Amino acid sequence: SAVISQKPSRDICQRGTSLTIQCQVDSQVTMMFWYRQQPGQSLTLIATANQGSEATYESGFVIDKFPISRPNLTFSTLTVSNMSPEDSSIYLCSVADRNPSIQYFGAGTRLSVL
Amino acid sequence: SQQGEEDPQALSIQEGENATMNCSYKTSINNLQWYRQNSGRGLVHLILIRSNEREKHSGRLRVTLDTSKKSSSLLITASRAADTASYFCATDHMNRDDKIIFGKGTRLHILP
Repeated sequence: SAVISQKPSRDICQRGTSLTIQCQVDSQVTMMFWYRQQPGQSLTLIATANQGSEATYESGFVIDKFPISRPNLTFSTLTVSNMSPEDSSIYLCSVADRNPSIQYFGAGTRLSVL
Repeated sequence: SQQGEEDPQALSIQEGENATMNCSYKTSINNLQWYRQNSGRGLVHLILIRSNEREKHSGRLRVTLDTSKKSSSLLITASRAADTASYFCATDHMNRDDKIIFGKGTRLHILP
């Protein structure tokens, strides 16, 4: 299994600002994913972070709003841009090696936008 | 939507009793997994069952899969307070095997 460190664990932000969330893995992994989980709800995949190329975004999510970087096989960032209260949510990073069925999750970032 | 549906949405049982959660999905799958999420934490992978398997055990967990009904169940036997968590099924589908889709989850509360 992989150990994932996600920072920050929580933040309170003002409307219109941006927040960058970091995800660090203790080993090289093939796949890294970013999810959003609204309170009491399920997980929605935002995008798959691809090493050395642009992330693959799911329907309803765009790069301008959620830019993602993945400079190497152990690190990725997700930025939530120009935030509004509707962006208040938990953001989760996960990783998988070759099989996306078995994913290992970070503890999440709880974001509140005022 | 291919998202799975769990039922019940919430379940409260006495410690020591068995807890059963169900998951239904819509399109053909390769695998189905169950994850646990403790409050305020990330998800932890519990068990994976392949589409050609019907039942799988891991400790106090028993998972069944009925592909004809597109449904799965998770049974936790002899529940403990530490089992209090949300449980999600997740499926990877034959037409999108590069990701998994999570169901809506069951919130399980074990009463002392």
